[in-house]
Amino acid sequence: EPEVTQTPSHQVTQMGQEVILRCVPISNHLYFYWYRQILGQKVEFLVSFYNNEISEKSEIFDDQFSVERPDGSNFTLKIRSTKLEDSAMYFCASSKGARGGGSNQPQHFGDGTRLSIL
Amino acid sequence: DAKTTQPPSMDCAEGRAANLPCNHSTISGNEYVYWYRQIHSQGPQYIIHGLKNNETNEMASLIITEDRKSSTLILPHATLRDTAVYYCIVRPPSGGYQKVTFGTGTKLQVIP
Repeated sequence: EPEVTQTPSHQVTQMGQEVILRCVPISNHLYFYWYRQILGQKVEFLVSFYNNEISEKSEIFDDQFSVERPDGSNFTLKIRSTKLEDSAMYFCASSKGARGGGSNQPQHFGDGTRLSIL
Repeated sequence: DAKTTQPPSMDCAEGRAANLPCNHSTISGNEYVYWYRQIHSQGPQYIIHGLKNNETNEMASLIITEDRKSSTLILPHATLRDTAVYYCIVRPPSGGYQKVTFGTGTKLQVIP
């Protein structure tokens, strides 16, 4: 069964450094997402991406964050200058979408990248 | 998004059916009920979704009441690997890119 893959599984970075988290969504999916989960807290939506544009972003997704689909397979999340509070699990997800909209397409998640900021 | 209410935790004996309830009394007529789960240290895993009718797949069954104000996820023969946090989510129908809003879910412990 196709799956979303994320690399690396664990990233340790010094505060203030840039970090790029990588994801390979399921190949025929059209919509891409990033979520994060701080230890012991809920999974939180960050951003959705479709047709090479951001569709929606949360308040968390400020100017320090950016997303990119640099080629036909990868989807990346960049944090420009990391802060201690960016330490979390970051999950990538993808979905097929549905013609004309509609919420009857599930999102499929990767197993995440654990980001630790020192 | 319509609000959902789930018990914070449940236990189930291994091999027995696990029945996880969810209340969504403010659900709109065109909103779907989705279930995801999160096994420790893994990403959320899609289980099943439905609109009005009961649904079944290889993982679980979803029973939605006729008034759609509540639903039950049934794992027919729970195993230790089913120990996880289960999330009941109602999704508005506005577009394929609609985000998933996770609550705190039900922590299911399957007991040997």
